[in-house]
Amino acid sequence: QVQLVQSGSELKKPGASVKVSCKASGYTFTSYAMNWVRQAPGQGLEWMGWINTNTGNPTYAQGFTGRFVFSLDTSVSTAYLQISSLKAEDTAVYFCARDLYGGNSPFDYWGQGTLVTVSS
Amino acid sequence: QSVLTQPPSVSGAPGQRVTISCTGSSSNIGAGYDVHWYQQLPGTAPKLLIYGNSNRPSGVPDRFSGSKSGTSASLAITGLQAEDEADYYCQSYDSSLSGSVFGAGTKLTVL
Repeated sequence: QVQLVQSGSELKKPGASVKVSCKASGYTFTSYAMNWVRQAPGQGLEWMGWINTNTGNPTYAQGFTGRFVFSLDTSVSTAYLQISSLKAEDTAVYFCARDLYGGNSPFDYWGQGTLVTVSS
Repeated sequence: QSVLTQPPSVSGAPGQRVTISCTGSSSNIGAGYDVHWYQQLPGTAPKLLIYGNSNRPSGVPDRFSGSKSGTSASLAITGLQAEDEADYYCQSYDSSLSGSVFGAGTKLTVL
């Protein structure tokens, strides 16, 4: 069965970096794009962008350029989200979600989410 | 501010029917892009509920239905049950933003 399993919660200090992983199983990793979605405490879903799992080419949504990096390790079917120079406002749950390439495809499977807390 | 507008909350008694609207514009829903709906139970990841405006993934009860017209879409839930209490999000693609967009979400309360 399809599964996206994310790494555990993180507590970081302002200015630090964090790397969240999303390990896929149950399907051919390179047949689907991987998206990242942020959900701040008590807030809605915000699409951060996606990464082409064939080419490794990332696309970032407005507001997620500069400090946010999407990457892959296709040998272990894993996508990564790295956030640098963390700020308090980066505190959120981060989800990975796959979709069939097409831009308007639905996100049919989601990871369980990774809580990143930024606090001094 | 979300590109797709949803009511912050809706409510209904068990057994009743509720609808949740999702209003967009000519660069997203009105441009012909599909609308998808997700259900997020408290403390869990979102789950795909409706895709391609009106299609249900396997396992989703037929109490849930979706429709789209013009620049808007709607999610209808009939025979409301306590377990339907959750947040619901619409999603589409926006050509001006060149990416996916979500509505701000609607909290459904079952009275």
